[in-house]
Amino acid sequence: DTAVSQTPKYLVTQMGNDKSIKCEQNLGHDTMYWYKQDSKKFLKIMFSYNNKELIINETVPNRFSPKSPDKAHLNLHINSLELGDSAVYFCASSGTGQAVPDTQYFGPGTRLTVL
Amino acid sequence: GNSVTQMEGPVTLSEEAFLTINCTYTATGYPSLFWYVQYPGEGLQLLLKATKADDKGSNKGFEATYRKETTSFHLEKGSVQVSDSAVYFCALDYNQGGKLIFGQGTELSVKP
Repeated sequence: DTAVSQTPKYLVTQMGNDKSIKCEQNLGHDTMYWYKQDSKKFLKIMFSYNNKELIINETVPNRFSPKSPDKAHLNLHINSLELGDSAVYFCASSGTGQAVPDTQYFGPGTRLTVL
Repeated sequence: GNSVTQMEGPVTLSEEAFLTINCTYTATGYPSLFWYVQYPGEGLQLLLKATKADDKGSNKGFEATYRKETTSFHLEKGSVQVSDSAVYFCALDYNQGGKLIFGQGTELSVKP
């Protein structure tokens, strides 16, 4: 039973292309997140959605656009990819309202390489 | 602003050695504190957490105590195993809104 899943696991593409990463959680959580992990393993939050509504939007270029079709899915679309976008992107989810703070559960990550 | 600082890695230990990974934080108010672990090629997993001063989080032989007076949340384990080799992240959630702020991660390598 996969709790938080991401596709694809690896993504290699050329500069200037547009790509999407998909995330799904089957935990019944209300909140989902996208994090970026750079080559030095530093993790930074990009976005979070609660029940399909955007609640956290860090200083991220507007080439990045999250989309949440329902509360179990949060996709990340990236336009006009740049070399600096190469990183591992993690999806996470939390929140059934039964614990404060809610534990975040992470997906396995998508390694994006921009050539 | 709010931030987390961890000791630099990599940390290399022999099996059964004692582990300490230092973590200090800067935050307004009273954040919740976490340790996450990332095994090679995997996502992050919550290892332990503490939500208020003097709380001790523990799991799988790891412990950390929330010290408000020293703004620290150091991770300890009495006897490490090869299977503990991973990257360990200290993090805080300062407004309970789910915005985790991570330290830079500390890579641990345990040799047999």
